[in-house]
Amino acid sequence: GAGVSQSPRYKVAKRGQDVALRCDPISGHVSLFWYQQALGQGPEFLTYFQNEAQLDKSGLPSDRFFAERPEGSVSTLKIQRTQQEDSAVYLCASSLEGVGSGANVLTFGAGSRLTVL
Amino acid sequence: KQEVTQIPAALSVPEGENLVLNCSFTDSAIYNLQWFRQDPGKGLTSLLLIQSSQREQTSGRLNASLDKSSGRSTLYIAASQPGDSATYLCAVGPGDSNYQLIWGAGTKLIIKP
Repeated sequence: GAGVSQSPRYKVAKRGQDVALRCDPISGHVSLFWYQQALGQGPEFLTYFQNEAQLDKSGLPSDRFFAERPEGSVSTLKIQRTQQEDSAVYLCASSLEGVGSGANVLTFGAGSRLTVL
Repeated sequence: KQEVTQIPAALSVPEGENLVLNCSFTDSAIYNLQWFRQDPGKGLTSLLLIQSSQREQTSGRLNASLDKSSGRSTLYIAASQPGDSATYLCAVGPGDSNYQLIWGAGTKLIIKP
């Protein structure tokens, strides 16, 4: 597609529910990133995929967070047993090249705003 | 641990003025530095990317500079317009990775018509 598409744009969940957030990167982009952005803060890195391989998941805050990109295109971020502190905007970004290929200009999606009640 | 700071948190200026946004970082071992703008409900847009070997980058009315030794970057906006109103964030690519960006909290810029 022309840009990075994320869905849903808004999600309200009750504490304890599981949620799944979807990211459609730009077609052909090798790298895909997930970030978490709390209100009034900059994004914080969650995880990185190069094609279907999850090369870095060091930013995932707990084992309740899980991400996958099984065919190297669409990615899903799943949060199990949501807590109030999970409320944030979840941003997905993609770039054409993989890590180590030089400058990585990131294209971001509009984000998925999660509110946990 | 790398920390990125942006001051001020908010800035309001009249239309037509030139302005400078500041970004400072604590560890000079960086791979690159990027400036983004964030519009409500529209995600982040990359504005300029400066490699660690570069001193500045320009795009239209925007000019970004990088001084690694002092841990500072500035984003200069010439002849500001109301459409420039947004939150501007800088992000540092650490020396050991070019993708695990570390972000400032942003400067919210309002250009008054």
